[in-house]
Amino acid sequence: QLQLQESGPGLVKPSETLSLTCAVSGGSISSNTFHWAWIRQPPGKGLEWIASVFYTGNTYYKPSLKSRVVISIDTSKNQFSLKVRSVTAADTAIYYCAREYRSSPETWGQGTLITVSS
Amino acid sequence: QSALTQPASVSGFPGQSITISCTGTSSDIGTYEYVSWYQQGPGKAPKLIVYEVNNRPSGVSIRFSGSKSGNTASLTISGLRTEDEADYYCCSHTTNIAPHVLFGGGTKLTVL
Repeated sequence: QLQLQESGPGLVKPSETLSLTCAVSGGSISSNTFHWAWIRQPPGKGLEWIASVFYTGNTYYKPSLKSRVVISIDTSKNQFSLKVRSVTAADTAIYYCAREYRSSPETWGQGTLITVSS
Repeated sequence: QSALTQPASVSGFPGQSITISCTGTSSDIGTYEYVSWYQQGPGKAPKLIVYEVNNRPSGVSIRFSGSKSGNTASLTISGLRTEDEADYYCCSHTTNIAPHVLFGGGTKLTVL
């Protein structure tokens, strides 16, 4: 059974870079069927898709976030990552990683809360 | 890059049917069959309940059904149950500016 597990620092200071990793187990990240995505949800608000990556390294980004985020994949470790630079309080959210099939995130991690505060 | 448009809230009595709409544009819902719906309970990760407009993943109740007309997609829940009370989100592939994925703002379903 596929499982995804996010890991991150919990607390990040404003203007710093947030780094998140998603470890995938129970399936190969090198599949040519699925993309791997990051999605976030500010407290009490809706879902926001951030970016996705294919095993070849091809990437897709939400245009309004593209200048600040980088998604990458490490097939040797069966994991993928997200970096968000120059964070502000507006980046405070639960960050989810997910496996995506035809633009539908279909298997999700449990999420990790990231708070941006000094 | 605005979110897809959903009503903030809908409600219904047990046993009734309700429909949640999701309005996009010709850059997303109007062109692509890649529309999905998610159910999210309090403190939980979203759960996929409909994909590619009207397909249900294994294990999802047949009471959940999806459709699309023009730039608007819809989720219908029939035979409402108290456990259906949750937030619901639509999602679509979009090519607005660049290819990516777009979520709706979410709809709170209250079972009266």
